[in-house]
Amino acid sequence: GENVEQHPSTLSVQEGDSAVIKCTYSDSASNYFPWYKQELGKRPQLIIDIRSNVGEKKDQRIAVTLNKTAKHFSLHITETQPEDSAVYFCAASKSGTASKLTFGTGTRLQVTL
Amino acid sequence: KAGVTQTPRYLIKTRGQQVTLSCSPISGHRSVSWYQQTPGQGLQFLFEYFSETQRNKGNFPGRFSGRQFSNSRSEMNVSTLELGDSALYLCASSTGAYTEAFFGQGTRLTVV
Repeated sequence: GENVEQHPSTLSVQEGDSAVIKCTYSDSASNYFPWYKQELGKRPQLIIDIRSNVGEKKDQRIAVTLNKTAKHFSLHITETQPEDSAVYFCAASKSGTASKLTFGTGTRLQVTL
Repeated sequence: KAGVTQTPRYLIKTRGQQVTLSCSPISGHRSVSWYQQTPGQGLQFLFEYFSETQRNKGNFPGRFSGRQFSNSRSEMNVSTLELGDSALYLCASSTGAYTEAFFGQGTRLTVV
């Protein structure tokens, strides 16, 4: 089955710096790649997603890039703020929908003042 | 628009018992997926129901089962509980087409 690896497991950056989280997937048939943010004690929330027919997508300070050949995708957060501190999960799906997601192991991002 | 609602929020059960968790999706969403979240294994897919039919299934034992009703509400049942079943159980709803999934707050199950 699909396997998603995520790195790093923890990331500490200073406020205003950029943060990058990387994921690789094993199944070349995967075609939908969402990123979720989960704050302590709260539900995962979608922050951005990308489909396999797109190489890059941006939403204000957040961007995601996808390299289908290498089977990896990355989350980029610029101008980090303390409220960006959370656990971030990448995920992949073969169905093109969000119905059956394989998640990475998560990255704990800490933004320090 | 109301979000995804899961009940109960917390449960404590004894080994060997069974438990039923409930998930009410966003109105109009026909797909409900269930995930188990643990510190060691992360988020793992259990199964997905779409229009009352199980459409996808993860790699969990048969003790884990679910169903979906005609109003799209879904229940998940775990029989013969084991200590290792202690986890946060999350459900997520979507239209089932090319749209995002919205998660509920989860049910934290503790097996003692």
